[in-house]
Amino acid sequence: GAVVSQHPSRVICKSGTSVKIECRSLDFQATTMFWYRQFPKQSLMLMATSNEGSKATYEQGVEKDKFLINHASLTLSTLTVTSAHPEDSSFYICSAPRQGSDEQFFGPGTRLTVL
Amino acid sequence: AQSVTQPDIHITVSEGASLELRCNYSYGATPYLFWYVQSPGQGLQLLLKYFSGDTLVQGIKGFEAEFKRSQSSFNLRKPSVHWSDAAEYFCAVAPSGGYNKLIFGAGTRLAVHP
Repeated sequence: GAVVSQHPSRVICKSGTSVKIECRSLDFQATTMFWYRQFPKQSLMLMATSNEGSKATYEQGVEKDKFLINHASLTLSTLTVTSAHPEDSSFYICSAPRQGSDEQFFGPGTRLTVL
Repeated sequence: AQSVTQPDIHITVSEGASLELRCNYSYGATPYLFWYVQSPGQGLQLLLKYFSGDTLVQGIKGFEAEFKRSQSSFNLRKPSVHWSDAAEYFCAVAPSGGYNKLIFGAGTRLAVHP
């Protein structure tokens, strides 16, 4: 099956710093990628849709200035958590649908801990 | 409101017993339906999906699910559970088609007793 990677897998940062998370589709091109957030023992909540060549689409209640998304190429989307605070600590997961498969492929997730 | 409901937060079964995980959705039309499994430290893995056609779908690892339009349900089943099936299971809906964003249920954590 298709492979989606995320980097880093874990990151610990101090409050007030910014953290960048990368999502890569390794063996297919993805014009669209999705970013989800998962709190401990809870479900995945869609944060935004990343679109190659255009602005990301954010879900209601998600601060676009805090969660910056850049879809730099057909295989890479980045999520930057700016001025991170402890409440931003969470598990961030990306997914990428592959054309012709009607299926999304998920990355392994990034565990962010803000001290 | 559009939603996906997994009424069971935790389920514990004995190894070899049968399993059924419930999922109900609330959407106007029949959306695309999925079941994913998430094991600790791993990404979500697709177990099976339903788009149209035969309402009983077969997936990987011996799982199957049945779509019932009249009940707006898409329950996941397995006739004999293995210890390695212990994980978190998510039902998900793609209201606009499988290529688009997914709405997830709250998840059901499955524990398997030896």
